Amino acid sequence: NAGVTQTPKFRILKIGQSMTLQCTQDMNHNYMYWYRQDPGMGLKLIYYSVGAGITDKGEVPNGYNVSRSTTEDFPLRLELAAPSQTSVYFCASSLPDVGYTFGSGTRLTVV
Amino acid sequence: AQRVTQPEKLLSVFKGAPVELKCNYSYSGSPELFWYVQYSRQRLQLLLRHISRESIKGFTADLNKGETSFHLKKPFAQEEDSAMYYCALKPANTGKLIFGQGTTLQVKP
Repeated sequence: NAGVTQTPKFRILKIGQSMTLQCTQDMNHNYMYWYRQDPGMGLKLIYYSVGAGITDKGEVPNGYNVSRSTTEDFPLRLELAAPSQTSVYFCASSLPDVGYTFGSGTRLTVV
Repeated sequence: AQRVTQPEKLLSVFKGAPVELKCNYSYSGSPELFWYVQYSRQRLQLLLRHISRESIKGFTADLNKGETSFHLKKPFAQEEDSAMYYCALKPANTGKLIFGQGTTLQVKP
């Protein structure tokens, strides 16, 4: 039982490049989330999903896209990377009345 | 507005001293509140949720609806408690969590 797995752990992007952050969970959790963590700002919700085929915007969705084709996978897409997207990204999953299980994070730098 | 405020960015105490990490929230309904912890180079993990009323690693937190607070307390801090602590609010009928800004707890020997 791996829990929530995120790849890659680190990435450096140039401005304007695109990439996909991968997130997979093997706990059969309905809910999945993407947060970004910035110093002094806490965690901000980017997108979330309550089940396969259903996604919705969080607090800071601009510049990102997601899809949820299966229960297990919830990839986050950055289409045109900007320096403001330099952050640590966390994926998490949960059942409706249970606390989150987090991935180990992806540290992204846009230069 | 739904909001979680952790007023201290950094809290530094000596080993054996009492610890209180403050958390205030803004929410019009009945909140569900959590504390998450992130140790160095580890992923965030659930420490406490208010409905379970547990004590984990010696930490407790009581929900005070009158003061809209959910402060995290421990009577005697240990060096291994050094970490980043996040308070979080789950509004009713949603799985989403709203996090505070986080407080770094530094326990000095």
